[in-house]
Amino acid sequence: NAGVMQNPRHLVRRRGQEARLRCSPMKGHSHVYWYRQLPEEGLKFMVYLQKENIIDESGMPKERFSAEFPKEGPSILRIQQVVRGDSAAYFCASSLSQGLSSNQPQHFGDGTRLSIL
Amino acid sequence: GDSVTQMEGPVTLSEEAFLTINCTYTATGYPSLFWYVQYPGEGLQLLLKATKADDKGSNKGFEATYRKETTSFHLEKGSVQVSDSAVYFCALSDAASGGSYIPTFGRGTSLIVHP
Repeated sequence: NAGVMQNPRHLVRRRGQEARLRCSPMKGHSHVYWYRQLPEEGLKFMVYLQKENIIDESGMPKERFSAEFPKEGPSILRIQQVVRGDSAAYFCASSLSQGLSSNQPQHFGDGTRLSIL
Repeated sequence: GDSVTQMEGPVTLSEEAFLTINCTYTATGYPSLFWYVQYPGEGLQLLLKATKADDKGSNKGFEATYRKETTSFHLEKGSVQVSDSAVYFCALSDAASGGSYIPTFGRGTSLIVHP
């Protein structure tokens, strides 16, 4: 299955620790989006990346959160010094392209459920 | 900016009932419209899409018609099954017409189907 792969599926951290969430996009996809979903709420956009570039991080908190999508390997969402409020499901999505041939649908991973003790 | 408004859930139906989940949108350009479905513990899956006015997207018995005059994209199914129980998200993408390249999602509508 060449779908979007996220790991781990579940991650438990204590307050103050670091959380690293990984996302491998679908084969051939070079656009990655990260979203956060809180219970009973919709998806909140966090960051949009292409290979080696952050295109839009307007939805990401200015502190403690960072994202990267290196030339080789998965995209990483990193949360430093986690707090209880970071508990949520984090979803990664990938798409084929943007621009004139855009409006491509996004393909989602099954998410990482982050729990902060 | 762009926005998507969905009817609030949960929507609770008996098996074989008719389903409508309303979705309206505002967009700066001429967006493409999508419905995604999220089953418990999983990510969103594309259900159907429409890219221009009067297009009808359909899949698995679900359908939605792109209504530009009413800026709506309501999801319908003639006879729901218990297995359709999930959260449904309406979304738009405005990138090709010069709008934001970040897709906009509604808050989601939970559907519960009883046997």
